Amino acid sequence: KNQVEQSPQSLIILEGKNCTLQCNYTVSPFSNLRWYKQDTGRGPVSLTIMTFSENTKSNGRYTATLDADTKQSSLHITASQLSDSASYICVVSWMDSSYKLIFGSGTRLLVRP
Amino acid sequence: NAGVTQTPKFQVLKTGQSMTLQCAQDMNHNSMYWYRQDPGMGLRLIYYSASEGTTDKGEVPNGYNVSRLNKREFSLRLESAAPSQTSVYFCASSGGADSNSPLHFGNGTRLTVT
Repeated sequence: KNQVEQSPQSLIILEGKNCTLQCNYTVSPFSNLRWYKQDTGRGPVSLTIMTFSENTKSNGRYTATLDADTKQSSLHITASQLSDSASYICVVSWMDSSYKLIFGSGTRLLVRP
Repeated sequence: NAGVTQTPKFQVLKTGQSMTLQCAQDMNHNSMYWYRQDPGMGLRLIYYSASEGTTDKGEVPNGYNVSRLNKREFSLRLESAAPSQTSVYFCASSGGADSNSPLHFGNGTRLTVT
């Protein structure tokens, strides 16, 4: 069964600290992996898209890694800011189609001053 | 540049009532989607439209109908609302139907069915 599991479910960190969010997937055939940020009351916004051959991709203070062999991805946030408080959703695409997406249930991050 | 606009933002229905959720995008995207988001679960695809004039069922289509009115607009209709349809509904669009096209989401419609 195609699944995307994220951990932890929730996380609280102090402003300025770094954190890493995890995503494990059992999706086959794999096409790409995406990370989205969803602010409370808003729709998800794309952070990165990584294909099979990409190990690392950065978007400002966000760095995503992908290990296609172990089917794991991580999202590292550097020097966190209050505005990073949001849910982070891992999404895996299969069958090379934009409507064949498996969404994780997200990690809720709270950054405290 | 508004992106993807959804109306209404909030709605309360009684069981058995009907309503249509509206979605419009101004990015000239070919593909549009309707998702629902429930607590503790990932987004699930209800219906999608790969291009103007076509619609297809997603993972959870029962109880819903859609209309791709034109390239910009994609509506979702609940004919007879049920409490199980209480959810947050998101419309999204993408430039293509390939997996490398990022989805652009609206800000959702929060629907409660009593």
